[in-house]
Amino acid sequence: DTGVSQDPRHKITKRGQNVTFRCDPISEHNRLYWYRQTLGQGPEFLTYFQNEAQLEKSRLLSDRFSAERPKGSFSTLEIQRTEQGDSAMYLCASSLGGQRETQYFGPGTRLLVL
Amino acid sequence: SQKIEQNSEALNIQEGKTATLTCNYTNYSPAYLQWYRQDPGRGPVFLLLIRENEKEKRKERLKVTFDTTLKQSLFHITASQPADSATYLCALQHDDYKLSFGAGTTVTVRA
Repeated sequence: DTGVSQDPRHKITKRGQNVTFRCDPISEHNRLYWYRQTLGQGPEFLTYFQNEAQLEKSRLLSDRFSAERPKGSFSTLEIQRTEQGDSAMYLCASSLGGQRETQYFGPGTRLLVL
Repeated sequence: SQKIEQNSEALNIQEGKTATLTCNYTNYSPAYLQWYRQDPGRGPVFLLLIRENEKEKRKERLKVTFDTTLKQSLFHITASQPADSATYLCALQHDDYKLSFGAGTTVTVRA
């Protein structure tokens, strides 16, 4: 399967714990995006990378959130000191870039903070 | 403030009929508008992209229109099938390439 993969698919944690999610984009894609989706809503943009450079961060991304994309390949999203409000589906997407900006999404990581 | 609004109600239609979904936006000037399909527990899947200078786009049983004056896109599924049952998301693409999504419209096609 050459699509976008995410790991883990599900995560249950206690409030105050740190969690880290991984995204492996389609191999030739240089852009990588993170979105968050809550029940009944569309995905909300969090941040994106062009190769290894993080070019934009949403104001939704508090100081407790950090994302990296070392060497421009896979990416990690870490949430420190999780809160119940962080419970959501975290989606990763990748794209080739350029004018036809079709984004290909992974299956998501569903986070539940107890 | 910027808003993207899709049909607020879920859409229930009979197999074989045409489903029409609406996406209205305010305070945006998107370069492109995209439609995605999302099944429960899965990530969105790209369906169609339409540029601001295009009026209509078709792909198999799908048709999208884009009216930048009305700030509206219509998404049609013709000859609908139960397998078309899903949530359909409208997304506006900005020059910096990130997507802003509507809340989605859930379509159920009855056999």
